[in-house]
Amino acid sequence: DQQVKQNSPSLSVQEGRISILNCDYTNSMFDYFLWYKKYPAEGPTFLISISSIKDKNEDGRFTVFLNKSAKHLSLHIVPSQPGDSAVYFCAASGMGGATNKLIFGTGTLLAVQP
Amino acid sequence: SAVISQKPSRDICQRGTSLTIQCQVDSQVTMMFWYRQQPGQSLTLIATANQGSEATYESGFVIDKFPISRPNLTFSTLTVSNMSPEDSSIYLCSLTKGGGLETQYFGPGTRLLVL
Repeated sequence: DQQVKQNSPSLSVQEGRISILNCDYTNSMFDYFLWYKKYPAEGPTFLISISSIKDKNEDGRFTVFLNKSAKHLSLHIVPSQPGDSAVYFCAASGMGGATNKLIFGTGTLLAVQP
Repeated sequence: SAVISQKPSRDICQRGTSLTIQCQVDSQVTMMFWYRQQPGQSLTLIATANQGSEATYESGFVIDKFPISRPNLTFSTLTVSNMSPEDSSIYLCSLTKGGGLETQYFGPGTRLLVL
């Protein structure tokens, strides 16, 4: 049972345009969400997070939006750069006291074309 | 964030053998975790390694197969025992510096191939 889903395995975007990566979850007990970027042969790198008490968090070119009623979050990258090409994972945690346990999605491979 | 290193970075092992993966952090941390990423799949939590107590394993993972040590606040090991080709994965340690809703930071991972 996949509690965190990233339905797009890949996404291709032109440099300078916006990249939008989507993530859906099924467990309403999740209250903390994170996005990680992963290059080949490296561990995931933390990008940005959002608590369920917010609906938006912004950090430079990265913005995460949370829609609790739809159980949906998205990561916007603008403008996209070739160095952003990587696999992006969303993760969720906070299930009723089981904090720190992260449930990951399957990832979306982003390719930013020069 | 903390600097996290893992050894070995990769290995090729024969079935039936065991491999111990080390995770070293440059500062004291409260909680450390071990994850597995099988080919083409997501990261899955194996266990939480707490200093001074036994590790807490997730459903589907057992201590006999994945024994974990946490001798101090900067170091942990994960052993993959009696390996089979299905254990071929990337194994990652991660950490938080406190309890609660904390961001986890990941090591570079250990790529394991079992023949």
